[in-house]
Amino acid sequence: TQLLEQSPQFLSIQEGENLTVYCNSSSVFSSLQWYRQEPGEGPVLLVTVVTGGEVKKLKRLTFQFGDARKDSSLHITAAQPGDTGLYLCAGAHRGSNYKLTFGKGTLLTVNP
Amino acid sequence: DSGVTQTPKHLITATGQRVTLRCSPRSGDLSVYWYQQSLDQGLQFLIQYYNGEERAKGNILERFSAQQFPDLHSELNLSSLELGDSALYFCASSPHLGTSGSWGADTQYFGPGTRLTVL
Repeated sequence: TQLLEQSPQFLSIQEGENLTVYCNSSSVFSSLQWYRQEPGEGPVLLVTVVTGGEVKKLKRLTFQFGDARKDSSLHITAAQPGDTGLYLCAGAHRGSNYKLTFGKGTLLTVNP
Repeated sequence: DSGVTQTPKHLITATGQRVTLRCSPRSGDLSVYWYQQSLDQGLQFLIQYYNGEERAKGNILERFSAQQFPDLHSELNLSSLELGDSALYFCASSPHLGTSGSWGADTQYFGPGTRLTVL
């Protein structure tokens, strides 16, 4: 079983701070996705990265896929209380078709 | 709102019982996925159906089964329930098979989940 390790597990910061969360694996993924899940809801896709070294920006969120396609990071600039939630990364393997492997997530709390 | 609906939202039952969870995918989506989310295991893929046929299996117990009907809604049946089956169960849907190619995995749209509590 290919595991995705996310760190930190919990993160509590003040509004306006910057943060980075990580998603690491010993396996190579053909693509990696980041989701945000809010309490009482299902995960919502934020971004998909496909190419090693790829960087994608979504407003204040910056996603990077490692050169070797084994790891990824999510950086949030000037965090806001609305960013609070569980951030999940999920990897897919070429040829594995349908199965996404999820990390256990980073629970982010942004305090006003 | 993802467009995926799940019922019921909450379910409380006793050990040994059997329950059925229902999922309606987004309009036009042919694939339905079931996931189990618990604190210790995280989000685990259980099974996928595409246009009525089973396409992939994950960590699904033999006590669990699923099916997808001609109208594309899906049901997850959990039997001989144990305390450890208490979890959030999510259904997701995607337009196609979900193949991970050079374009990356297809987007899966998740429903709001069913919280199952086994007492």
